[in-house]
Amino acid sequence: QQPVQSPQAVILREGEDAVINCSSSKALYSVHWYRQKHGEAPVFLMILLKGGEQKGHEKISASFNEKKQQSSLYLTASQLSYSGTYFCGTEGKTDSWGKLQFGAGTQVVVTP
Amino acid sequence: GAVVSQHPSRVICKSGTSVKIECRSLDFQATTMFWYRQFPKQSLMLMATSNEGSKATYEQGVEKDKFLINHASLTLSTLTVTSAHPEDSSFYICSARESGGAVVTQYFGPGTRLTVL
Repeated sequence: QQPVQSPQAVILREGEDAVINCSSSKALYSVHWYRQKHGEAPVFLMILLKGGEQKGHEKISASFNEKKQQSSLYLTASQLSYSGTYFCGTEGKTDSWGKLQFGAGTQVVVTP
Repeated sequence: GAVVSQHPSRVICKSGTSVKIECRSLDFQATTMFWYRQFPKQSLMLMATSNEGSKATYEQGVEKDKFLINHASLTLSTLTVTSAHPEDSSFYICSARESGGAVVTQYFGPGTRLTVL
């Protein structure tokens, strides 16, 4: 089953913050975050493996709440380059190794 | 990060022809690769899991006779769209995960845009 992402889209001014949520109905082994620019393939941002884990990539960070089967991606002091569609990919504990299910994506537009 | 390549990047073909797409892991070995399809403004939908030396595992609703997958080596998987029709037009993306160890990051290829006329 696909994880549920929210919001569907967000428009930010440069320097503003945003949070993207990813929620799954099944127990998760890992959560992967990607950003995709129009016409390009997704680019890996980070992976979270353990409940309570937090990671960062530049001013983009994420957390993983294993008990709630949720992950959040935090865009801090957004830059124009942050524009794109963000996808979370989830790997269930009972899934085949490496098999990811992707959310519908969150479109982020950062304006000057 | 690891590099995954795809070839071709774009292909236009006539209805009824077959198209082969290659996915290569350039600097690591991958016993498992994944094939996704993405329609405009939609998410990535997993089509199948490609396993080196064995049959691919297809997701529900994906026709295995139409989308032939061959994983002949630890660095190459191919997807052949047989008798392509306009509804098969899409963005096809492969991904690969390095074999063994604790590395679990999955890297995507640049994608192949297929247009069937």
